[in-house]
Amino acid sequence: SQTIHQWPATLVQPVGSPLSLECTVEGTSNPNLYWYRQAAGRGLQLLFYSVGIGQISSEVPQNLSASRPQDRQFILSSKKLLLSDSGFYLCAWSSGQGGYEQYFGPGTRLTVT
Amino acid sequence: GQQLNQSPQSMFIQEGEDVSMNCTSSSIFNTWLWYKQDPGEGPVLLIALYKAGELTSNGRLTAQFGITRKDSFLNISASIPSDVGIYFCAGQLKGGSNYKLTFGKGTLLTVNP
Repeated sequence: SQTIHQWPATLVQPVGSPLSLECTVEGTSNPNLYWYRQAAGRGLQLLFYSVGIGQISSEVPQNLSASRPQDRQFILSSKKLLLSDSGFYLCAWSSGQGGYEQYFGPGTRLTVT
Repeated sequence: GQQLNQSPQSMFIQEGEDVSMNCTSSSIFNTWLWYKQDPGEGPVLLIALYKAGELTSNGRLTAQFGITRKDSFLNISASIPSDVGIYFCAGQLKGGSNYKLTFGKGTLLTVNP
């Protein structure tokens, strides 16, 4: 069966510091991968998605970036965090063979101080 | 972008009561999905719907794909305390990207024991 991991689970970082969040998927090949941010207001905002290694689509201009160095690894990064980057970051995957269902990871709670 | 109007925004009910929530849009969707998110965790897929008029159950949960393809409903029967959480609808927009879902803003459900 497929599983999705995210780490760290929680992170407290000062403004201006760098960020690296990691997401890995097991049990499937060539998945589509997604990064979402969920603010306190509950809505899910799509940040990036990837349909293959090295292929990144950005949905929202911001100081975040994403990379996909391996088939089942998706990384969210920032060179300098802003206070507004605080939130709950969710990684998700869907089948690369079609199907619209997305499956979410456990999330990373980021607090920028 | 396209929006899903999810209602109600929140519900406070007594244990044992039935619950109904819905999502509507002015646009047509090919697929409807319903997720539940427990506090501090990632959303979990509850039910997926693929055809107009489709009615699907998962235990005490029942969801329907509206005939017009512009809406979907989720019902929970005989609620229990563990039903507490945020319920999201999501859809794959007809003519839209095969990789992206449109999410509602969620219904926060509180169950009073």
